[in-house]
Amino acid sequence: KNEVEQSPQNLTAQEGEFITINCSYSVGISALHWLQQHPGGGIVSLFMLSSGKKKHGRLIATINIQEKHSSLHITASHPRDSAVYICAVRERGGSQGNLIFGKGTKLSVKP
Amino acid sequence: GAGVSQSPSNKVTEKGKDVELRCDPISGHTALYWYRQSLGQGLEFLIYFQGNSAPDKSGLPSDRFSAERTGGSVSTLTIQRTQQEDSAVYLCASSSHWTEGYTFGSGTRLTVV
Repeated sequence: KNEVEQSPQNLTAQEGEFITINCSYSVGISALHWLQQHPGGGIVSLFMLSSGKKKHGRLIATINIQEKHSSLHITASHPRDSAVYICAVRERGGSQGNLIFGKGTKLSVKP
Repeated sequence: GAGVSQSPSNKVTEKGKDVELRCDPISGHTALYWYRQSLGQGLEFLIYFQGNSAPDKSGLPSDRFSAERTGGSVSTLTIQRTQQEDSAVYLCASSSHWTEGYTFGSGTRLTVV
């Protein structure tokens, strides 16, 4: 069993829809990252959080440490949001860089 | 620089040859990370440098892999006696503090033939 599980693996949405991507993990963590990988391969760090909720523009990330679960929400989705979204965790006691990655959720937003 | 710069962007090498991959982090970023993404696989951690501290090498897959970071800035990832399973995109990232998000480079696509 993977230590970081994402769902769904693939997601197709219509422009304007509210989107939720889920991440569950099985280890104790000190931080969780959400990353965005565009079709060209470039990776952008969206959020790093250890508790609660963060918001940036149309993106919202939440984490529930007790339930070992995080969600990434996209409001008013747009075709330019089409990308692979990757969840990664830093295991508690591990080094800052030693992240465990999920396999990603491929999002396609249709106009 | 404005971002994390990696070179070369693409590298094709023959099996058994050594390769060096370079990463220029954002100026002032004390933390530098190497990851790789193999075809059909997720991202995996390779090595992490923080300032002058000893690097965390726990992700290096074999002793053919090594990395150094000179002067707290530029880093070089070296793969000796390359094998076909080393083919992947090698990604470098940097950050200014452990509470900060990471800035990723565009990666080096390594193909071993």
